[in-house]
Amino acid sequence: GAVVSQHPSWVICKSGTSVKIECRSLDFQATTMFWYRQFPKQSLMLMATSNEGSKATYEQGVEKDKFLINHASLTLSTLTVTSAHPEDSSFYICSARPNRLASSYEQYFGPGTRLTVT
Amino acid sequence: AQSVTQLGSHVSVSEGALVLLRCNYSSSVPPYLFWYVQYPNQGLQLLLKYTTGATLVKGINGFEAEFKKSETSFHLTKPSAHMSDAAEYFCAVSEDGNQFYFGTGTSLTVIP
Repeated sequence: GAVVSQHPSWVICKSGTSVKIECRSLDFQATTMFWYRQFPKQSLMLMATSNEGSKATYEQGVEKDKFLINHASLTLSTLTVTSAHPEDSSFYICSARPNRLASSYEQYFGPGTRLTVT
Repeated sequence: AQSVTQLGSHVSVSEGALVLLRCNYSSSVPPYLFWYVQYPNQGLQLLLKYTTGATLVKGINGFEAEFKKSETSFHLTKPSAHMSDAAEYFCAVSEDGNQFYFGTGTSLTVIP
């Protein structure tokens, strides 16, 4: 149990276009999901906390208008990279905290989406 | 501010040898500490965690870690490495269960 999927697993897009990445909790409900970004040889950096039915909370330095997050249901959060540029190329990883484990501080991670902007 | 330092971006051990992956953290409050493993093209999988209680924590696949407050460390060990242990390992710290701060990761190679 506690499986998180991401779609697509990789995507190549042209500069100036927008890309949507989906994060789904397959066998549990998650009011709270998280989006991370990972550069090669670097740590995962938390970008934002996604809350079902409310606005996401962004970390300092993350552009809200560029990285749009929607958490419309208890099993789906989406990250849309708007007007993508080459510097947005990265590995994006989501995680979800099962509602039934809200007190355990565990997060389950998706396999990641590799975005390349040309 | 919280931060995590993983000493050694690459560690190589022989099959059957002791595995020791180092993690030091900084935190202004008692932290929650985690070790995750990432296999190629897969998500992060929780190996073990420390929240409260016993400072020696046992996880999956024979791994364990000890929380040492005086040394601000949470090193990961396994008595005998197996080929299947080859992967990327991440240490993480959180003060509130929401914001996780990750180390840069340690790539473990197991030599047959």
